[in-house]
Amino acid sequence: AQTVTQSQPEMSVQEAETVTLSCTYDTSESDYYLFWYKQPPSRQMILVIRQEAYKQQNATENRFSVNFQKAAKSFSLKISDSQLGDAAMYFCAYRGNYGGATNKLIFGTGTLLAVQP
Amino acid sequence: EAGVAQSPRYKIIEKRQSVAFWCNPISGHATLYWYQQILGQGPKLLIQFQNNGVVDDSQLPKDRFSAERLKGVDSTLKIQPAKLEDSAVYLCASSGRTGTDSPLHFGNGTRLTVT
Repeated sequence: AQTVTQSQPEMSVQEAETVTLSCTYDTSESDYYLFWYKQPPSRQMILVIRQEAYKQQNATENRFSVNFQKAAKSFSLKISDSQLGDAAMYFCAYRGNYGGATNKLIFGTGTLLAVQP
Repeated sequence: EAGVAQSPRYKIIEKRQSVAFWCNPISGHATLYWYQQILGQGPKLLIQFQNNGVVDDSQLPKDRFSAERLKGVDSTLKIQPAKLEDSAVYLCASSGRTGTDSPLHFGNGTRLTVT
């Protein structure tokens, strides 16, 4: 079974600084998607960034980028120029691409990010 | 585009009581998901609908949980009878396709407290 592990329950960063959130996963599949979701106090899960496993190039979305190491099964999120609005719970998630309609999202336990002014 | 709507926002009940949650997905989205998020954990899929048919309910505790999506639009998740361990946030999400690259759009969730 696929698993997603986030070993950092909490992280803190100064405003305008850079922070990296870690995520590792376990799967026997070769084709899959990885995601980072942000969950602010409003509880709504917001997609931050997505990586396709067959793409070697790391995904970037403005101040957010990932370091995808397929062999090591590692998928970290880097937030540059941190802003107060980045404070939230961040979840790493895995979704297989092995066919079928389910391919459910499997989430890690989350990392609570605090941004200090 | 209106987002995924959920109600109620909060619910407090005693154990052994019943409760129901409602979700209205984004217009036109065929796939609807219910997730359970226990405090300190990531969301866990309870049930997935494709239109009004169930695609995956393997992690739904069927002795007490039920869900329906009768007309392929909005959905109701029910718990009867509730247990203390059902205290969690219940998130509804929808997507326009079943493919793995289709993004999920989440609602704000219902926070359930069972006392």
